[in-house]
Amino acid sequence: AQSVTQLDSQVPVFEEAPVELRCNYSSSVSVYLFWYVQYPNQGLQLLLKYLSGSTLVKGINGFEAEFNKSQTSFHLRKPSVHISDTAEYFCAVSGAGGSQGNLIFGKGTKLSVKP
Amino acid sequence: DTGVSQDPRHKITKRGQNVTFRCDPISEHNRLYWYRQTLGQGPEFLTYFQNEAQLEKSRLLSDRFSAERPKGSFSTLEIQRTEQGDSAMYLCASREQGRGNTIYFGEGSWLTVV
Repeated sequence: AQSVTQLDSQVPVFEEAPVELRCNYSSSVSVYLFWYVQYPNQGLQLLLKYLSGSTLVKGINGFEAEFNKSQTSFHLRKPSVHISDTAEYFCAVSGAGGSQGNLIFGKGTKLSVKP
Repeated sequence: DTGVSQDPRHKITKRGQNVTFRCDPISEHNRLYWYRQTLGQGPEFLTYFQNEAQLEKSRLLSDRFSAERPKGSFSTLEIQRTEQGDSAMYLCASREQGRGNTIYFGEGSWLTVV
């Protein structure tokens, strides 16, 4: 079984500042890792995913994440945020060995970008 | 490609009534998922289909919940005898078969039980 911990429930940041949203996971098997974004009253949109290969993954909207197997982390970063990045961000994991593709989500981090 | 479509987007119902949600996945996707999301929480897996076969159900899916995908295309999620604790957003998602393929989510169906 897998689990995901998002260490910060809310992250306030000023526009054009860098941001890091932290995610740690627990699993007894190899995993795939994902970050999704959810704007108010909408579904989830995939930002990026790690399946294998390079541990630094680049996604949409200027976001990137780094897979660290020894620390079981997959932190999301953006060097300069915009007001439009205000949303809730979810880290998710699925087992790489299975084929179901079910995602286990963290509780989310609300990113609030202030002018 | 119109994405994953869900209907209705919002539903208010009285406790004890039955409700049904519909999901139309992306056309070439044979995997379809249902998740539930309550306020302040991440989505929680309920069940998934491969074509018309329901292959896994979460313990969250009580006997009052039933999901179908009769022709391997659209799916329905019915909740019988709704309770206030059922108030949540119900998310449908789909993907193509294959490890690591992206799961695409619909915009969700909000249920409020009063």
